[in-house]
Amino acid sequence: NAGVMQNPRHLVRRRGQEARLRCSPMKGHSHVYWYRQLPEEGLKFMVYLQKENIIDESGMPKERFSAEFPKEGPSILRIQQVVRGDSAAYFCASSPGQGEAFFGQGTRLTVV
Amino acid sequence: GENVEQHPSTLSVQEGDSAVIKCTYSDSASNYFPWYKQELGKGPQLIIDIRSNVGEKKDQRIAVTLNKTAKHFSLHITETQPEDSAVYFCAVAGGGTSYGKLTFGQGTILTVHP
Repeated sequence: NAGVMQNPRHLVRRRGQEARLRCSPMKGHSHVYWYRQLPEEGLKFMVYLQKENIIDESGMPKERFSAEFPKEGPSILRIQQVVRGDSAAYFCASSPGQGEAFFGQGTRLTVV
Repeated sequence: GENVEQHPSTLSVQEGDSAVIKCTYSDSASNYFPWYKQELGKGPQLIIDIRSNVGEKKDQRIAVTLNKTAKHFSLHITETQPEDSAVYFCAVAGGGTSYGKLTFGQGTILTVHP
């Protein structure tokens, strides 16, 4: 039973480019959460999605960031026009709903 | 919103000693309290959790205690081993939300010396 799969593991983007981070939840899990971890800090909640629905986006920056979880395929976190401050590790977690959340290995985004 | 404070920020112990990490939270409606272990370059790994209807839970060398009145919970690791060295995060969820929407503490860097 594969765990939460994130790709790419490492992503380098120049300022102004777009970054796309993908997350495939564990089998049987229909709830996906995205977190951001800045260097030397804890994880901060960004967004909570179920299939085709955004449930809670209270932690998402108001501009440039968007997320989706389509009926088919992985969840996508999209960052448009990246800036140096977007450099961080982005983690995806999945759960079956009222159950424990399991995290992926993360995508480390570096903006140069 | 929820606020979680975690102490200490660093903890150094000798192999075989016990380690204790403490967290306090602010929202009395919170009802789920997991602990995660994060090794360098990896994602957080759930090691133990507790729900608000119990006061203590144990899994081999790891235990968690919860005091809802005081709004704090603690992680206890006994007979520590070098492979326990990692960053440990407490987290809090609840108040009607999914168990995946978590507020994390700032983390504790645990170092176990052989």
